Amino acid sequence: KAGVTQTPRYLIKTRGQQVTLSCSPISGHRSVSWYQQTPGQGLQFLFEYFSETQRNKGNFPGRFSGRQFSNSRSEMNVSTLELGDSALYLCASSPQGSSGVNNEQFFGPGTRLTVL
Amino acid sequence: AQKVTQAQTEISVVEKEDVTLDCVYETRDTTYYLFWYKQPPSGELVFLIRRNSFDEQNEISGRYSWNFQKSTSSFNFTITASQVVDSAVYFCALSESNFGNEKLTFGTGTRLTIIP
Repeated sequence: KAGVTQTPRYLIKTRGQQVTLSCSPISGHRSVSWYQQTPGQGLQFLFEYFSETQRNKGNFPGRFSGRQFSNSRSEMNVSTLELGDSALYLCASSPQGSSGVNNEQFFGPGTRLTVL
Repeated sequence: AQKVTQAQTEISVVEKEDVTLDCVYETRDTTYYLFWYKQPPSGELVFLIRRNSFDEQNEISGRYSWNFQKSTSSFNFTITASQVVDSAVYFCALSESNFGNEKLTFGTGTRLTIIP
């Protein structure tokens, strides 16, 4: 099976712009989560989508949003970019089923966003 | 609130030495999951192990072993006969057991350097 793919891998934007990042999960995985990784704050949970619905959300401002499509692909959007949004954005997919078992999450290579 | 503490920020050992990475967690849940991930310089998080709170058996996988002790809320990771390829940042993570909660709470990571 192909792994989690994220596009683009690298992105440079300026303050005030908006950006959309894309994530394609492993085939058959229905849960997609997004994480932000920065040197100062470490790995932080942004949100999680399952069957096109946001199930969980971390403590990030409303400028961070996402969505999931019927094929489980997900996009994350950040509006009005700030310098502090510079980070590695990681997407993870999981074969979440109905048993309630928390399966392992498989991560993509990330999108490195630089805000100038 | 959940919390994961990895007190060791950086560790350096000479190749072939054994090394143990510490992880201490906090949670109010009686059922939870613990994970270890490896992040090599490429940036992608690689899943290593998942353990649920009811399974306190230690696990060994090749040169890797994990020691889970609920009494001390610890989930330590040992690499035996370390190799240069083991150089990476290692993250311990925790998630609740509730169905629909895929959120991972990560520790700050331990940067392991294996000196040839």
